[in-house]
Amino acid sequence: DIQMTQSPSSLSASVGDRVTITCRASQDISNYLAWYQQKPGKVPKLLIYSASTLQSGVPSRFSGSGSGTDFTLTISSLQPEDVATYYCQKYNGAPPTFGPGTKVDI
Amino acid sequence: EVQVLESGGGLVQPGGSLRLSCGASGFTFSDHAMTWVRQVPGKGLEWVLSISSSGARTYYADSVKGRFTVSRDNSKNTLYLQMNSLRAEDTAVYHCAKTMGNYGLYYFDYWGQGTLVIVSS
Repeated sequence: DIQMTQSPSSLSASVGDRVTITCRASQDISNYLAWYQQKPGKVPKLLIYSASTLQSGVPSRFSGSGSGTDFTLTISSLQPEDVATYYCQKYNGAPPTFGPGTKVDI
Repeated sequence: EVQVLESGGGLVQPGGSLRLSCGASGFTFSDHAMTWVRQVPGKGLEWVLSISSSGARTYYADSVKGRFTVSRDNSKNTLYLQMNSLRAEDTAVYHCAKTMGNYGLYYFDYWGQGTLVIVSS
C-alpha cells in the first residue's frame, strides 16, 4: 500500500504568516490528492481535491500544489480561525489513505 | 443542505456485534458512493470502507475485512455498517461521509458528526 507522510507534524505561526504544509506519497499518485481541515471538536472539512482545486466555499487564502509524490498546502495569510489539524489523503485507488496530520496553532 | 447523520453507536463487549446507520439528505443519495471513516479521539483519520453508488462494489480496509459489512438502501437514503467480531482496537468515532469519485478513486466532501463505538468488557 502507498504510505502518506506529512511535515511538519505541528507548527505555530503568527496571524498573517504564510504557512506551508508538505505531504509526500511513497509512490506516484498523479494528482489524486485531497486536503482536509479539522478544527478542534469538529468534523473534517474538504478544502482541496485534485491536488489544487479549491472546494466551493473555501477561502482563497488556501491553495494546493504538486503532483506525483510531493504536494503542498499553503495558507497565504494565517487567520485565527485556521487553527486546526490538516490531513492529506490520496485517492488513486483503494485504500484511500490519510496522512498523519499537521496541527497548526497561532 | 447536505446532511449525513449517523446512529447506532454504543458500548459493546469484545467479540460482539453492532450495526451503525447513516441517514442522508440534501443530495441524490443513489448517485454517490458512501464511506465510513473512523477516528480514535485525539488521533488521526482511518478509512474503513466504501460502497459504490449502486452497492455493486465495496472496498474494505484490511483491518476490518471479513468482520465488517457495508450495505445501502437507496430507497431509504440510508447506509449501514454491520460490525461483527469487534475488538478493542475498533473503538473510535465512526463518521459517514458523502463520497466523490468512481471506481475506488474516492474523496469525501461531507462528513457526519459521527457515532462513538466503544469495545470494552
